[in-house]
Amino acid sequence: EVQLVESGGGLVKPGESLRLSCAASGFTFSSAWMSWVRQVPGKGLEWVGRIKSKASGGTSDHAAPVKGRFTISRDDSKDTLYLQMNSLKTEDTAIYYCATTRVVSGAMSMLYDDWGQGTPVTVSS
Amino acid sequence: EIVMTQSPATLSVSPGEGATLSCRASQSVSSNLAWYQQKPGQAPRLFIYGASTRATGVPARFSGSGSGTEFTLTISSLQSEDFAVYYCQQYNNWPGTFGQGTKVEIK
Repeated sequence: EVQLVESGGGLVKPGESLRLSCAASGFTFSSAWMSWVRQVPGKGLEWVGRIKSKASGGTSDHAAPVKGRFTISRDDSKDTLYLQMNSLKTEDTAIYYCATTRVVSGAMSMLYDDWGQGTPVTVSS
Repeated sequence: EIVMTQSPATLSVSPGEGATLSCRASQSVSSNLAWYQQKPGQAPRLFIYGASTRATGVPARFSGSGSGTEFTLTISSLQSEDFAVYYCQQYNNWPGTFGQGTKVEIK
């Protein structure tokens, strides 16, 4: 059974940093493409970033609102996904989910098969 | 960026009745459309992909249809566990984008 457990969320002030972790089990993490998706409470979902498996190049992409401030990374030896969040803004307040990521032939983007329970991040002065 | 518009925002349905949820894309996304179910306090769950393929474990009372810009999620006879928020997501174009959701509530 796929399990994704996020941690590291909390309350921070604008301009501060936070690192989220996502511990994976139940599947071959090193072969998986992974993503972070966030959700403002009571609102919709927004893709934050994606990282490919090492076999696919290991490269990452980030959404425009977080580019240059957030960095997604992975440690396959620990089956763990990370999201380093710097220069946090109030608009980054959300629940952050990690998710296994699937790319479909013919599509430019991806869908999300399995999700963790999320970790809340609040940015407030 | 493709904008996904879902309607209605809220759907009030009695148990046992059917429900039809709509999702419209601002430009064609072919059949690269997914639906997710989210219950309060839980993570989203992939329900439908490829516009009409049910994910593992999704009951047959759920069906998806459409292509291009117009999509529908139909629930044939609502059970208590089906009351939730449903999001559509296009993954045809970069970046993938989600609709704002339709809340299916008990009438």
